[in-house]
Amino acid sequence: NAGVTQTPKFQVLKTGQSMTLQCAQDMNHNSMYWYRQDPGMGLRLIYYSASEGTTDKGEVPNGYNVSRLNKREFSLRLESAAPSQTSVYFCASSTPGHDLHKNYEQYFGPGTRLTVT
Amino acid sequence: DQQVKQNSPSLSVQEGRISILNCDYTNSMFDYFLWYKKYPAEGPTFLISISSIKDKNEDGRFTVFLNKSAKHLSLHIVPSQPGDSAVYFCAASARYSGGGADGLTFGKGTHLIIQP
Repeated sequence: NAGVTQTPKFQVLKTGQSMTLQCAQDMNHNSMYWYRQDPGMGLRLIYYSASEGTTDKGEVPNGYNVSRLNKREFSLRLESAAPSQTSVYFCASSTPGHDLHKNYEQYFGPGTRLTVT
Repeated sequence: DQQVKQNSPSLSVQEGRISILNCDYTNSMFDYFLWYKKYPAEGPTFLISISSIKDKNEDGRFTVFLNKSAKHLSLHIVPSQPGDSAVYFCAASARYSGGGADGLTFGKGTHLIIQP
């Protein structure tokens, strides 16, 4: 049981290049998320997928696209990378629920450290 | 506008003493709060959570207190151990009212340093 896995771990891009960050989870979770973390900042939500076949924008979606390939996989694509997208990217998954009597958490992957020069 | 605030960027505590980390929020729709611990070069790991229907939740050495009227929560770690040295993030979501998936809103984190 690997939890949430992300590839690659590190990536360096030149401005204008494109790439796709991959994320997979083996916990049979319905929802998946992409966050970015910049130095001295908390994590900020880029996009999320409430269930297979749906995606929605988060707080900072500009410059990104996502694909929920199936229940396990959720990818994040940078079509034309910019230096402002230098960051650490985290994928997470959960089974959401609206019952406040039940516990809930999001499980995070180890992150992808992306540098755009 | 920052909806979740952790006003102490760092906190130094002696081993064996109590560590108290604070978090304030502004969005009244938030009804579920989580604390995550993060080591360098790793993803955040879940510590403890609390829903707005409670004011306290305990798990071993960790206790989270929620004061809804003040929009304030705190994480207590007793006793503090060297392995507790990490960055702690407070996060919030609108689980009941949010509908759909529950993206988390994070604070900027507090770097806890446990001194021997």
